Amino acid sequence: DVKVTQSSRYLVKRTGEKVFLECVQDMDHENMFWYRQDPGLGLRLIYFSYDVKMKEKGDIPEGYSVSREKKERFSLILESASTNQTSMYLCASSLRTGLFEQYFGPGTRLTVT
Amino acid sequence: GQNIDQPTEMTATEGAIVQINCTYQTSGFNGLFWYQQHAGEAPTFLSYNVLDGLEEKGRFSSFLSRSKGYSYLLLKELQMKDSASYLCAVRDSNYQLIWGAGTKLIIKP
Repeated sequence: DVKVTQSSRYLVKRTGEKVFLECVQDMDHENMFWYRQDPGLGLRLIYFSYDVKMKEKGDIPEGYSVSREKKERFSLILESASTNQTSMYLCASSLRTGLFEQYFGPGTRLTVT
Repeated sequence: GQNIDQPTEMTATEGAIVQINCTYQTSGFNGLFWYQQHAGEAPTFLSYNVLDGLEEKGRFSSFLSRSKGYSYLLLKELQMKDSASYLCAVRDSNYQLIWGAGTKLIIKP
C-alpha cells in the first residue's frame, strides 16, 4: 500500500512565523502535490512537483513556497504565516503524470493566531 | 472558468440506496474521480471514469456522461460507515485535478 505521511496532524503558529510542513511518500512516486482544504471549497492546489528539484505553481501559490530535494520528500513553506493561512493542508502523490490517482496523507490542521 | 458542482449535503437511511450527482465544466477532460473522505481523515480513492457508462465496484458504482458533463456515484446497501464526504474531481486538459467542494453524506439508522 502507498503510504503518504505528514510531519504533524495539528500545528499552532503565530502570525509572522516561518512554518514548515513536511510530506514523505514511500512508493517512489514521481508527482507530489500540496493542497489546502477549507469548508465549502474544493481542494485547492498550492504547488506540485513532477520531479526532484522541479516545482510548478498551482492555483493559489501566493504566500507559499516548496522544496523537493529528494524524490520522496516534498516540503511546503509559509515564509510569514498569516491568519488567512489557517486551514487543513493535504499532501498527495501519484505515480507519474497521466491517468493515475492521487494518494493523500492524513493532513495537517494549521492554526495561525 | 472551470467548475464542479455537487450537492452540499445529503441524508439517507441505513440499508437504502443513494445517488450523489456531480456536474462539471472544465477545459478539457481526461477522466473523473470519486474520493471518499471521513471527517478528519485523508481522501481515499473510490473510482475513476474516463469513458461513458457505468463502472461497478462492489456496493459502489460510478456513472459518466461526457456529453452532458455529468457523473454520479451510487451507493447501495448503505452502512453507517458510509457517512463521509464524497469528492468529485475532474482531470483537465493539463492533467490537473479540479475538485468539487464535496457532498457530506449523513446515514441515519
